[in-house]
Amino acid sequence: AQSVTQLGSHVSVSEGALVLLRCNYSSSVPPYLFWYVQYPNQGLQLLLKYTSAATLVKGINGFEAEFKKSETSFHLTKPSAHMSDAAEYFCAVTTYGNNRLAFGKGNQVVVIP
Amino acid sequence: KAGVTQTPRYLIKTRGQQVTLSCSPISGHRSVSWYQQTPGQGLQFLFEYFSETQRNKGNFPGRFSGRQFSNSRSEMNVSTLELGDSALYLCASSFAGTSDYEQYFGPGTRLTVT
Repeated sequence: AQSVTQLGSHVSVSEGALVLLRCNYSSSVPPYLFWYVQYPNQGLQLLLKYTSAATLVKGINGFEAEFKKSETSFHLTKPSAHMSDAAEYFCAVTTYGNNRLAFGKGNQVVVIP
Repeated sequence: KAGVTQTPRYLIKTRGQQVTLSCSPISGHRSVSWYQQTPGQGLQFLFEYFSETQRNKGNFPGRFSGRQFSNSRSEMNVSTLELGDSALYLCASSFAGTSDYEQYFGPGTRLTVT
């Protein structure tokens, strides 16, 4: 079974500072990895995904993530935080041919002006 | 293109009752998955339907069931509601039931059990 770990449920970042959200996965087969964002009273929106192509993945809203097999990680970064980045972020894993996502506990990001 | 719609958006039920939630996928999508989101357990997979067949099922009791119709619309049913069933229920649709295709999530149905 696949699983992901996200540490630090709440993350505070100053406006303009680097956003770094950590995700470590566990999978016995090559994983497909995703980052989703959830705004209040809304569903999940896909930020980016890794599906065994390029290890550095660029997504929407200036976010990117790097797949590191040796570290079993898929950390999410954004160089400069905006107020609009305040939301909850989820890392998820699945495998090829499988639509069942296993999510991490999420990171609630607060952006400080 | 219309997104995934879920009805109703909010629901209040009493313990012991049953409830049915509806999900209309994006036009042309054949796969619908359901997730339960709670503060304690986070996001947990319930089940997935593809072309009217349940393809995958999570670790939930038999009180949770679902179905998919020929137009790909899906319903999930929870019988004999418990307080712990209070949650946001999200459905997601994708073109095909593989991870190559993005899953699009609806806004969810917030169920409160009193």
